[in-house]
Amino acid sequence: DTAVSQTPKYLVTQMGNDKSIKCEQNLGHDTMYWYKQDSKKFLKIMFSYNNKELIINETVPNRFSPKSPDKAHLNLHINSLELGDSAVYFCASSQGGTGIKRTQYFGPGTRLLVL
Amino acid sequence: TQLLEQSPQFLSIQEGENLTVYCNSSSVFSSLQWYRQEPGEGPVLLVTVVTGGEVKKLKRLTFQFGDARKDSSLHITAAQPGDTGLYLCAGNAGGTSYGKLTFGQGTILTVHP
Repeated sequence: DTAVSQTPKYLVTQMGNDKSIKCEQNLGHDTMYWYKQDSKKFLKIMFSYNNKELIINETVPNRFSPKSPDKAHLNLHINSLELGDSAVYFCASSQGGTGIKRTQYFGPGTRLLVL
Repeated sequence: TQLLEQSPQFLSIQEGENLTVYCNSSSVFSSLQWYRQEPGEGPVLLVTVVTGGEVKKLKRLTFQFGDARKDSSLHITAAQPGDTGLYLCAGNAGGTSYGKLTFGQGTILTVHP
């Protein structure tokens, strides 16, 4: 059973294109996240939604727009893709509000390559 | 902005050796977590420490949270090839941070048979 799933796993596209990455979790969690992992493996939070409400919005270009249609889904749309957007994007989910002991469950990642 | 400095960045050792990975910050964290990430997969939580001075053991892995809750270490005893992977520390500031995790740069561990 897949807990946090992402599609697609690989995404190769041209500069200037618009693309979307989808994330679904079947854990019944109330909070979902998007992270970006760069080529040096540094993992940085981009967005977080709690019960479909945006609660974390880091300094991310406006070209990135998350959307949460329901608690189990958090999608990421990227407009006008740039070379620097190439990275691995991870979706994650957790349960329990803002508790400091929460476990975040990560998806397998989407490898985005912008040419 | 809270930062976590993780060291070393790379570690290549022989099977059976011991190793320690460090995670340091000038900021106080309400909790600190250690994750392990294998190639092609997402990070998986190993442990969460919340109390200053706390020590947790997970088989051959020992995790420690500094007394001031600004630093943490991961010690692996008698490393095995199966321990190979990327180890990430992540701090949670608590309060109104909504559970935002700040990650260290990661340590890529390779254990040779």
